[in-house]
Amino acid sequence: AQKITQTQPGMFVQEKEAVTLDCTYDTSDQSYGLFWYKQPSSGEMIFLIYQGSYDEQNATEGRYSLNFQKARKSANLVISASQLGDSAMYFCAMTAPYNFNKFYFGSGTKLNVKP
Amino acid sequence: DGGITQSPKYLFRKEGQNVTLSCEQNLNHDAMYWYRQDPGQGLRLIYYSQIVNDFQKGDIAEGYSVSREKKESFPLTVTSAQKNPTAFYLCASTQLGEGQGFNQPQHFGDGTRLSIL
Repeated sequence: AQKITQTQPGMFVQEKEAVTLDCTYDTSDQSYGLFWYKQPSSGEMIFLIYQGSYDEQNATEGRYSLNFQKARKSANLVISASQLGDSAMYFCAMTAPYNFNKFYFGSGTKLNVKP
Repeated sequence: DGGITQSPKYLFRKEGQNVTLSCEQNLNHDAMYWYRQDPGQGLRLIYYSQIVNDFQKGDIAEGYSVSREKKESFPLTVTSAQKNPTAFYLCASTQLGEGQGFNQPQHFGDGTRLSIL
């Protein structure tokens, strides 16, 4: 069974600095997808970035990048130039391939951006 | 605009009462999901469905029931058998298809907060 681990319950970062949110995963499958979501205090889940297991390049979307290290089974999210609006919960998730796109979510990291 | 609509935003349940949470999507997605989120926690899968009239239990299905009579609708009933229903409930959908098995993100509604009276 797939498992996602986020070891940082909470983090602080100074505005305009970069921050890395950790995510490790456990799977015996060769094909899988990794996702990061942002959840503001209002509760909605916002999709940020995707990395496929066969992608050789690290994914990037604007200020978000994914540091994918397949051998270490890690998929860390890097946010560059943090903004106050980045304060939120961040969840790492993984799909279960060939299993109706079931998603497995980590426990999340609460990011606080300080002015 | 395409999206997922959950209603109501807030819901209160009395002891011994069943309540139904609505989830409607106009994204023409095949698969739909219900998650429960407790304060400070991640999402746990309750039920999911990939086609009309078919659904499967997730990790915490006890005390919940669903139906999928239409592609766009996936209501969740929280029954009186669910002894601790207070939580935030999120509905999601995604497109399935050949070659798209694991690279499609799930799209989420804005959630329903359920509390006990």
